Amino acid sequence: AQKVTQAQTEISVVEKEDVTLDCVYETRDTTYYLFWYKQPPSGELVFLIRRNSFDEQNEISGRYSWNFQKSTSSFNFTITASQVVDSAVYFCALRNSGGYQKVTFGTGTKLQVIP
Amino acid sequence: NAGVTQTPKFRVLKTGQSMTLLCAQDMNHEYMYWYRQDPGMGLRLIHYSVGEGTTAKGEVPDGYNVSRLKKQNFLLGLESAAPSQTSVYFCASSYLTSGRRVFFGPGTRLTVL
Repeated sequence: AQKVTQAQTEISVVEKEDVTLDCVYETRDTTYYLFWYKQPPSGELVFLIRRNSFDEQNEISGRYSWNFQKSTSSFNFTITASQVVDSAVYFCALRNSGGYQKVTFGTGTKLQVIP
Repeated sequence: NAGVTQTPKFRVLKTGQSMTLLCAQDMNHEYMYWYRQDPGMGLRLIHYSVGEGTTAKGEVPDGYNVSRLKKQNFLLGLESAAPSQTSVYFCASSYLTSGRRVFFGPGTRLTVL
């Protein structure tokens, strides 16, 4: 069985602060894929990033960065200099490989950026 | 490309009524999924399909049935709706190749009275 845990239910930060969203996963597979999705107040799910289990390099995209650590089964997401437009629910997800590929989501972290 | 579309966008049912949610994708994806989203519960997988004519149960399959008669369509059926099925339903699709991202539809907001 696979599982994704996002322990932070809600986070509030003041604009321009940095914020890190935590994601911890469990899987028996040696090959797997991790994702982050954003759900703004409008409700749609927006893809942010994909990472495979063989690539532990951190990734930076503008104000967003991701820290993948297999040793702690974590795939954390940091927003630098947060903006009001970053207010959304953020989901971490895990996809197994081989056989029937399920995509399991965490319960999400609601981020509120206060101006 | 329309991507993933869902019909209807909103629906109100009475307890015991039945309905079918339709999902269509035009990306020739092999995998299709149905999720439900409830406050504090994240996205939970109801059923999914790995190809035409093949379906599998997810985490919360009870009370739902699915069919995938055509590769581009994935139907979610509620035979006898219950208030506990009030939720936002998302359809998604993906290529078979491992690790490919999942594309989501806009969601269907269902209320069961």
